[in-house]
Formats: sequence, C-alpha cells, structure tokens
Amino acid sequence: AQSVTQLDSHVSVSEGTPVLLRCNYSSSYSPSLFWYVQHPNKGLQLLLKYTSAATLVKGINGFEAEFKKSETSFHLTKPSAHMSDAAEYFCVVSRMDSNYQLIWGAGTKLIIKP
Amino acid sequence: GAGVSQSPSNKVTEKGKDVELRCDPISGHTALYWYRQSLGQGLEFLIYFQGNSAPDKSGLPSDRFSAERTGGSVSTLTIQRTQQEDSAVYLCASSIGRGGTEAFFGQGTRLTVV
Repeated sequence: AQSVTQLDSHVSVSEGTPVLLRCNYSSSYSPSLFWYVQHPNKGLQLLLKYTSAATLVKGINGFEAEFKKSETSFHLTKPSAHMSDAAEYFCVVSRMDSNYQLIWGAGTKLIIKP
Repeated sequence: GAGVSQSPSNKVTEKGKDVELRCDPISGHTALYWYRQSLGQGLEFLIYFQGNSAPDKSGLPSDRFSAERTGGSVSTLTIQRTQQEDSAVYLCASSIGRGGTEAFFGQGTRLTVV
C-alpha cells in the first residue's frame, strides 16, 4: 500500500537561507510523487512532479525535489527562501495500480522569518 | 471548462439543515476527489470517483455524508442534518486518472454551520 509521511509539521527559516521540507513515501510500485503548495486563503497549486524520468525535478518558484529510491525520500528544497514562500506544502504519492488515487501527506507549514 | 468549478463559493446554513455542494470537473477528467479542510489543517480525504469503478467512500466521516457523480462528470456532495463540526472548506479536484497525472483543484466551498 502507498503512504506518505511529511516529517515536520512546521519549518521555520530566515529569508535568504535554504529550505528543506522532508517527505518519505512507501509504495509497492514505482511511484509518482508530487509537491503541492497552498498559500494562505488560496487554492492548491502543483509545484512539481516526479514520474520516473529525471530524479532531480525542478518546479516553479525555484523549488526542486530529488527522488531517492534507496532512501524512499522526495525532499523539497530551495536554495534561498523568500517571504512569499510562506505557505503550506503537501507531499503526495500516486497509487500506480489501476486506481491511481492520490495519497496526501499531512502538510508542512513553512514560516519565513525576516 | 478551463478549470474545476465549485459552487457555491460560500454557504452559511443552520444546524440541522441539508446542504448540497457542486463540483464541475475539467472536461475529460475521469477521476474526481472530494476533500475537506478545516481551518489550519491538512486535507481530509472524503471520496474518490474513478471512471466507472465503484467510488472509494472510505473517507466519508459519517452516514450524513454522501456523494454522487452523474454521467461521469458533475459531482454533488450532500451533507444531511449539518452539525457545527461540519464547518470547513470543501475542495474538489479532478485528474485525467492515469498514473503520474496530477490533480487540479477548484477554489472550494466554504461551509459555515451556525
């Protein structure tokens, strides 16, 4: 069965410093993985996705994530945080059997300190 | 349409009344999800429709909640005898329904039970 764990409910970084949001997954199949972002009082937006092509995936707003099969991880990173990055981030795994249902992590709230 | 459309955007109802929330998915999307998001919380899965398969209703919190999807397109989430704890944002998403495809979200319906 597929599952996803976001290791931190909150992450706080200073503006201009690197961001690391951690995600581990469990999947019986080669997974598809996604990161979504939700800004305060806004809808959910896809940041990036991994679908068995390049293991380093680049997304919008300077974010990227690396798929590491040996560590079953798909951590989200950004070299330099901006105040506008303050939001909730969700890691998602897709079932790869005929169901294709998306399984969501609990979310990580990213706080940016000035 | 161009995106997932939900209506109404806001709904205030009295405790004990029934409500219906509507979702128009992106044309051609076979998969449709309903989620609930309480203030400051993550996504709570409610129900998943995929093509002609039996829906996954495992997330519905009680028998007061039901959903249907007519003709594989529009979906209606019905909450009977609403309670104050039902107050939340109800989100609908649709996807092509194949492996590795992301879900696209509507803006949600904010339900307030008074």
